Amino acid sequence: EPEVTQTPSHQVTQMGQEVILRCVPISNHLYFYWYRQILGQKVEFLVSFYNNEISEKSEIFDDQFSVERPDGSNFTLKIRSTKLEDSAMYFCASRAGLRRGNGYTFGSGTRLTVV
Amino acid sequence: AQKITQTQPGMFVQEKEAVTLDCTYDTSDQSYGLFWYKQPSSGEMIFLIYQGSYDEQNATEGRYSLNFQKARKSANLVISASQLGDSAMYFCAMRGNYAGGTSYGKLTFGQGTILTVHP
Repeated sequence: EPEVTQTPSHQVTQMGQEVILRCVPISNHLYFYWYRQILGQKVEFLVSFYNNEISEKSEIFDDQFSVERPDGSNFTLKIRSTKLEDSAMYFCASRAGLRRGNGYTFGSGTRLTVV
Repeated sequence: AQKITQTQPGMFVQEKEAVTLDCTYDTSDQSYGLFWYKQPSSGEMIFLIYQGSYDEQNATEGRYSLNFQKARKSANLVISASQLGDSAMYFCAMRGNYAGGTSYGKLTFGQGTILTVHP
């Protein structure tokens, strides 16, 4: 069964450093999403991406966050200057389309620890 | 705005018994979808079951069924014949209407319920 692949599985970074979280969505999917989950809390929507641009973003997704799909396969989330409160599990998800039969496939997540 | 509420922080069940995990939602959309995901201790999100707002029958997937009561805005997950491997966090989630291109399918999640299955 096709998978969404996220790398790395765990990243530790110093506060103030830039991090790039990488995702390879399922190849024929068109809609891409990033979510985050602070430890023990609910999963929160960050951003959706379609047709090479951001289609929707939450209030969490401020100027320190950016996404891109540089080569048509990878889908990256960049955090420019990490803060302690950015420590969380970050999930990438993709979806073939918006029709009801199109399910969401989540990656296994990247656990980001900011120290 | 959409909201999902899961009022049970933790639930316990004996192996082989059935358990119901509660989920209520709030939305002004006429068309929406409801999902349940399982998150084991390893952290990944595993899709379990989907219910569309216009579906007349409750969704079922193996041991999982969704008790959808539209008028009460509830979408409870029923797990029959619980197994030890069912111990995990369970999330209810909703996606809203796509009409007018205002939503590109983002999911809104509840707080989750930790299910523990006892042998």
